Amino acid sequence: DAGVIQSPRHEVTEMGQEVTLRCKPISGHNSLFWYRQTMMRGLELLIYFNNNVPIDDSGMPEDRFSAKMPNASFSTLKIQPSEPRDSAVYFCASSLGTRARGLLGTQPQHFGDGTRLSIL
Amino acid sequence: KNEVEQSPQNLTAQEGEFITINCSYSVGISALHWLQQHPGGGIVSLFMLSSGKKKHGRLIATINIQEKHSSLHITASHPRDSAVYICAVRPWGGATNKLIFGTGTLLAVQP
Repeated sequence: DAGVIQSPRHEVTEMGQEVTLRCKPISGHNSLFWYRQTMMRGLELLIYFNNNVPIDDSGMPEDRFSAKMPNASFSTLKIQPSEPRDSAVYFCASSLGTRARGLLGTQPQHFGDGTRLSIL
Repeated sequence: KNEVEQSPQNLTAQEGEFITINCSYSVGISALHWLQQHPGGGIVSLFMLSSGKKKHGRLIATINIQEKHSSLHITASHPRDSAVYICAVRPWGGATNKLIFGTGTLLAVQP
């Protein structure tokens, strides 16, 4: 089975440029998560989708960040304009989520290999 | 104070030693995850548990819901176990499905 697929694996770009990170979740999973990992703050949730709908975007740092999930098999995280402090590893994860009480949140998340982003 | 705290932050062990990594949390949870991140960066889910104990190979995870505490044990440690181990909890209630992460424990197992 293919896992969560992220692209690109590495991205180096200059400050001010637009950056687009891509994620393909595991087929059949209906929850998708975008995380950012830095040395200072560890792993942080940026946004998560359930059935393609953004449920919680409280972790999105500012308006320069946006995320979309146009269909069940694809999501993007966009940074425009990018800044050096956005340099981090960005992970996408997916899981089979359900809103049924008692089962909510009891499915493991499967992580992609991450995108290592460097903004110069 | 972080909602999820891990100890120790760094751990160096000799091959063959029994290792314990601890995780304490301050919120009500529906599940707790142990994740492993190797130097290459990939994150793997090791365990997800909401009560009791789970075992997979040389790894054992336990949780005490009343005490809001979990431990990850590695028996007969091996250099390939060297990685960052991350504890994450899923808060109980509401419609949220998000995880709150600890800062991780860096384990180095020396031959």
